[in-house]
Amino acid sequence: DTAVSQTPKYLVTQMGNDKSIKCEQNLGHDTMYWYKQDSKKFLKIMFSYNNKELIINETVPNRFSPKSPDKAHLNLHINSLELGDSAVYFCASSPQIGGDTNEKLFFGSGTQLSVL
Amino acid sequence: DQQVKQNSPSLSVQEGRISILNCDYTNSMFDYFLWYKKYPAEGPTFLISISSIKDKNEDGRFTVFLNKSAKHLSLHIVPSQPGDSAVYFCAASVGRDDKIIFGKGTRLHILP
Repeated sequence: DTAVSQTPKYLVTQMGNDKSIKCEQNLGHDTMYWYKQDSKKFLKIMFSYNNKELIINETVPNRFSPKSPDKAHLNLHINSLELGDSAVYFCASSPQIGGDTNEKLFFGSGTQLSVL
Repeated sequence: DQQVKQNSPSLSVQEGRISILNCDYTNSMFDYFLWYKKYPAEGPTFLISISSIKDKNEDGRFTVFLNKSAKHLSLHIVPSQPGDSAVYFCAASVGRDDKIIFGKGTRLHILP
């Protein structure tokens, strides 16, 4: 009964491949996010979706495409993987914007992506 | 450009003593500050927050202090317990709902 679950936990792949990371939340939240923690340990927001609509899109290469089939799911697809994409990717969710959202960010346990 | 800085990558504190984790920020528009805690192989979890209209917020063993003029905040944990060993992320936002900017984190080790 994990609140925010993401799969896979570990992903090792070759440069140039296309891969997806899946995320699901069972909290009934309206907003979902993808964060990236790079080798320098910064945790940075990549995307935010509210009720399946994109609301935040940071400066992220077009190779990264989030897809939200419904408000409980936000998947991250990455095309033509590069060495610099190696990082830990965290999915998160929060209640409707306007309700002390930042205190109610629930994170998944992360996906360690290694591009060889 | 690091808008939220945690200059100490790690900190070791004896069990029972006070742990003080520091954080500096550069963006004067930030008016909401948070601390998140992260255990290995888990995602960060919300710990405590403070609005810029306050200079202190306390929740049990955890207290956050905000010095707006110095653009500095700190998290005090007293007394420190073994379960407090984790990575602590300082974070800031403009308003309670805007995107959060996280620092790099400080790894806290509580020594027996």
